[in-house]
Amino acid sequence: DIQMTQSPSPLSASVGDRVTITCRPSQSISSYLNWFQQKPGKAPKLLIYAASNLQSGVPSRFSGSGSGTDFTLTISSLQPEDFATYYCQQSYSTPFTFGPGTTVDIK
Amino acid sequence: QLQLQESGPGLMKASETLSLTCTVSGGSISSSSYYWGWIRQPPGKGLEWIGSMYYRGSAYYNPSLTSRGTIFVDTSKNQFSLKVSSVTAADTAVYYCARHMNWNDGFDIWGQGTMVTVSS
Repeated sequence: DIQMTQSPSPLSASVGDRVTITCRPSQSISSYLNWFQQKPGKAPKLLIYAASNLQSGVPSRFSGSGSGTDFTLTISSLQPEDFATYYCQQSYSTPFTFGPGTTVDIK
Repeated sequence: QLQLQESGPGLMKASETLSLTCTVSGGSISSSSYYWGWIRQPPGKGLEWIGSMYYRGSAYYNPSLTSRGTIFVDTSKNQFSLKVSSVTAADTAVYYCARHMNWNDGFDIWGQGTMVTVSS
């Protein structure tokens, strides 16, 4: 199985901050990396697919980059509704695996 | 707009077989290129992919289920289902059904999730 690690966790930030979350798979996954946002009691929401593609309807302050074994999710200017837990997920090979999550909380 | 809705038993006993159904509305489960999957999340923990399948193909499962899981599609009802046999307390989780547009794409539409609690 491909193991996924995320850093930092947790992440404390303020409204307006630029936030970067890193995801590293245990082996190269090309660009088969997705990012999700989850709020308490809700289903995850797809933000970024294939490493850098913004899912329809997702604000442009979210962006993704990377390939191989090093990926990042960036929120350019943190908004109050962005305080949540973020998960990366590899879709390169089965079993599909998720990172442990990064909780972004209020500083 | 496509929507997914899970239904399940809520509470069950260890050793029983868990049966969950995901009803697809606003679109056809038989649409080409779409795959249908199950993901679970134990209380306070992260996400675990259980398995996925195409409406007319083989299903792929997470080996962590140790061959206890089965996913199947009922096109006549526009539903897909998950069965997990011999459940234990470790199977207690919120179970989500979800769609991915291509096999290697992210899960873009999710159900709201259904909590399953296994008591010993």
